[in-house]
Amino acid sequence: AQSVTQLGSHVSVSEGALVLLRCNYSSSVPPYLFWYVQYPNQGLQLLLKYTSAATLVKGINGFEAEFKKSETSFHLTKPSAHMSDAAEYFCAVRNSGGYQKVTFGTGTKLQVIP
Amino acid sequence: GAGVSQSPSNKVTEKGKDVELRCDPISGHTALYWYRQSLGQGLEFLIYFQGNSAPDKSGLPSDRFSAERTGGSVSTLTIQRTQQEDSAVYLCASSSSTSKETQYFGPGTRLLVL
Repeated sequence: AQSVTQLGSHVSVSEGALVLLRCNYSSSVPPYLFWYVQYPNQGLQLLLKYTSAATLVKGINGFEAEFKKSETSFHLTKPSAHMSDAAEYFCAVRNSGGYQKVTFGTGTKLQVIP
Repeated sequence: GAGVSQSPSNKVTEKGKDVELRCDPISGHTALYWYRQSLGQGLEFLIYFQGNSAPDKSGLPSDRFSAERTGGSVSTLTIQRTQQEDSAVYLCASSSSTSKETQYFGPGTRLLVL
């Protein structure tokens, strides 16, 4: 079985401040891990993914995430928040290999305060 | 190229009526997934299709839900005898054989059951 836990359903940061969105996963086999972003009234857009290559993954819009096996974590960070980063962010996990179901976290809404 | 499209974008129906939701995946994508996103919750996997293989229906919440994929392309999700708790955003995603782990999402169909 696989699962993800996102700590904090709502996170507020000031514009220019560090963004840190937490994700912990559980998987019985080496996982693939993802972060998706959802802007209001839109579908999900892939921010970045980990597929067992480099543990530090860089994505779009200046976001990055680090896979830490010892901590079973895949936290999303961005050094400086922009107003346009306000959205809902979903962490997701799936087992590696072939076509697999993806299990999503419950999401974290990011608010950026001017 | 075109992304994943879904129709209708919004659907309001009365309790007890049947509804059909349509998904057009990215051309050439062999895998297609349906998810449900309820207010304040994460994404709930419903069903996925992979080529000509039998679909994985393990996420369908009841026998009122069914889906088909014709010709390996377009998919229709049908909800019979709708209930108020079926109100949600229904998201479709597709992935290619060369990048199985990456799902591309459509904008979703917002279903409201009165």
